[in-house]
Amino acid sequence: GQQLNQSPQSMFIQEGEDVSMNCTSSSIFNTWLWYKQDPGEGPVLLIALYKAGELTSNGRLTAQFGITRKDSFLNISASIPSDVGIYFCAGLSDRDDKIIFGKGTRLHILP
Amino acid sequence: DSGVTQTPKHLITATGQRVTLRCSPRSGDLSVYWYQQSLDQGLQFLIQYYNGEERAKGNILERFSAQQFPDLHSELNLSSLELGDSALYFCASSVPLQGSGDYGYTFGSGTRLTVV
Repeated sequence: GQQLNQSPQSMFIQEGEDVSMNCTSSSIFNTWLWYKQDPGEGPVLLIALYKAGELTSNGRLTAQFGITRKDSFLNISASIPSDVGIYFCAGLSDRDDKIIFGKGTRLHILP
Repeated sequence: DSGVTQTPKHLITATGQRVTLRCSPRSGDLSVYWYQQSLDQGLQFLIQYYNGEERAKGNILERFSAQQFPDLHSELNLSSLELGDSALYFCASSVPLQGSGDYGYTFGSGTRLTVV
């Protein structure tokens, strides 16, 4: 079945650092989504990407839809304590209307 | 506020028992998706209902079942509970993505199930 490989699995960074994480698949997706999950809460949609090569920003977050349509990247600039959480990538294929989620990247910010 | 309501927020029960988790989707949304999130695991799709009918099935155990009622709320029933069933259970409903004809998911806050 379709799978998304998300890396890194976890990150420990200093406040103020930039963060990069990515998501790859052997399948093509038509839409890529990035979600963030705060502790004890459900995931919240951050950014949606619709076209290969598209670069979209939401504040300090920037995400890109890979040219091959098999990968996506999320960057966070100048991290702050509230960025802590789990970041999930998700892909929507045209085979069905089910969204596939990666296993998430846990972001920890060191004091 | 996602508009998706899940109850209860926390549930502690013993092995072998049966529990029911409840979800009310966003007003007007016909779809309900159920996901399981175990410790250090991603979101595992369990099952989808659309307007009362089962639409898609994922990695849902036979001990688990779900239904969607005429008022569109959904219940996930977990029976013969095992320690490994301890997890966060989320439901989600569809939300249109601006600028496209696609839909994303908006999630409830989840039910944390602890089996002891």
